[in-house]
Amino acid sequence: GDSVTQMEGPVTLSEEAFLTINCTYTATGYPSLFWYVQYPGEGLQLLLKATKADDKGSNKGFEATYRKETTSFHLEKGSVQVSDSAVYFCALSDRSNDMRFGAGTRLTVKP
Amino acid sequence: DAGVIQSPRHEVTEMGQEVTLRCKLISGHNSLFWYRQTMMRGLELLIYFNNNVPIDDSGMPEDRFSAKMPNASFSTLKIQPSEPRDSAVYFCASSRPGIYGYTFGSGTRLTVV
Repeated sequence: GDSVTQMEGPVTLSEEAFLTINCTYTATGYPSLFWYVQYPGEGLQLLLKATKADDKGSNKGFEATYRKETTSFHLEKGSVQVSDSAVYFCALSDRSNDMRFGAGTRLTVKP
Repeated sequence: DAGVIQSPRHEVTEMGQEVTLRCKLISGHNSLFWYRQTMMRGLELLIYFNNNVPIDDSGMPEDRFSAKMPNASFSTLKIQPSEPRDSAVYFCASSRPGIYGYTFGSGTRLTVV
């Protein structure tokens, strides 16, 4: 079945460092791809999405590009802040709206 | 838009007791999802509804778990009897037709002692 695989954490960075969290997917069709963020004690929040190949989703300085040729949707941010410390989930959804989540990657940003 | 509202935020109960978790969907959303999150197993889909109809309950752990959606805006997840291994954070999420992603509630942290 459809699935996503994301890099294992935890990831620890210093403030203003460049962030990449890798995500690859397996799907039989043409899914939509998502990144969600979960801050401590809260539910998941949609961070960004892309619905077709070569689309770039962006929000709050984060970006991810839907790469069909490499079946990837890597999350990037040029300069992380302490407030970006959270768990990040990659996910895909087919037309049935059944969302498949990755295992999550915990990011800690130190001052 | 008040978002997806879950209650209670925290629940501590004794083993064997019945637990009911509640979720209010966002107006206009027609799909409802119940998830369980633990350190060991991560985020697990328990059941989801579309237009009040249960579509996939294959993630429900066992017969002790049941979920209902009596109307378009409200759902309950019941555990009877509860066991310590049910301790987790339970989230509900809703979505509207189309590719918009899910909106999650803040979760209910359940502790069964």
